[in-house]
Amino acid sequence: EAGVAQSPRYKIIEKRQSVAFWCNPISGHATLYWYQQILGQGPKLLIQFQNNGVVDDSQLPKDRFSAERLKGVDSTLKIQPAKLEDSAVYLCASSLDLRDKGSDTQYFGPGTRLTVL
Amino acid sequence: QKEVEQDPGPLSVPEGAIVSLNCTYSNSAFQYFMWYRQYSRKGPELLMYTYSSGNKEDGRFTAQVDKSSKYISLFIRDSQPSDSATYLCAMSPVGGATNKLIFGTGTLLAVQP
Repeated sequence: EAGVAQSPRYKIIEKRQSVAFWCNPISGHATLYWYQQILGQGPKLLIQFQNNGVVDDSQLPKDRFSAERLKGVDSTLKIQPAKLEDSAVYLCASSLDLRDKGSDTQYFGPGTRLTVL
Repeated sequence: QKEVEQDPGPLSVPEGAIVSLNCTYSNSAFQYFMWYRQYSRKGPELLMYTYSSGNKEDGRFTAQVDKSSKYISLFIRDSQPSDSATYLCAMSPVGGATNKLIFGTGTLLAVQP
């Protein structure tokens, strides 16, 4: 079974530029998550999708971050304009189904390492 | 105060040692407790998953949850150099509309051959 795919793996940009990350979840997984992991910290949830609908985006800085999951499969996360403090690893994860069964296992991709200069 | 506290380490042990990793938390609504392992430049992978209080064993790994003390532990027996990684605890509340995981900062473990 193929895992969660993310691209690019690394990205270096200057502040105020824009950047986009792509995620392809495990086939059949209805729930998709984007996390931000700053160096030395644990992942922090940015946004969660159930199919193509947003379940939780309470920690997404909506003035500069946006995300979409068209057709309920692939997802993109965009930052525009980037700030120095956005330097982090952006992790995508997916799980089979939400349905209030407690905690579905989340499978993580390798992440995109963003450096903002 | 953070919802989940975890000693960042680093923790260095000799091969074969028993390793104890711990997290404390403040939110009594947490019911699901997980340990993830993250190798350098990789995404986290689930190691252990426990619901509510008690112990769970899987090979060399044992997870313990003490809800009365709001304290969880991961024990690694006969540690191997391949266990060298960052270990993240994660928790989520029961039910609710989301499956939101709250992570600790992670403990960096190095097992010396």
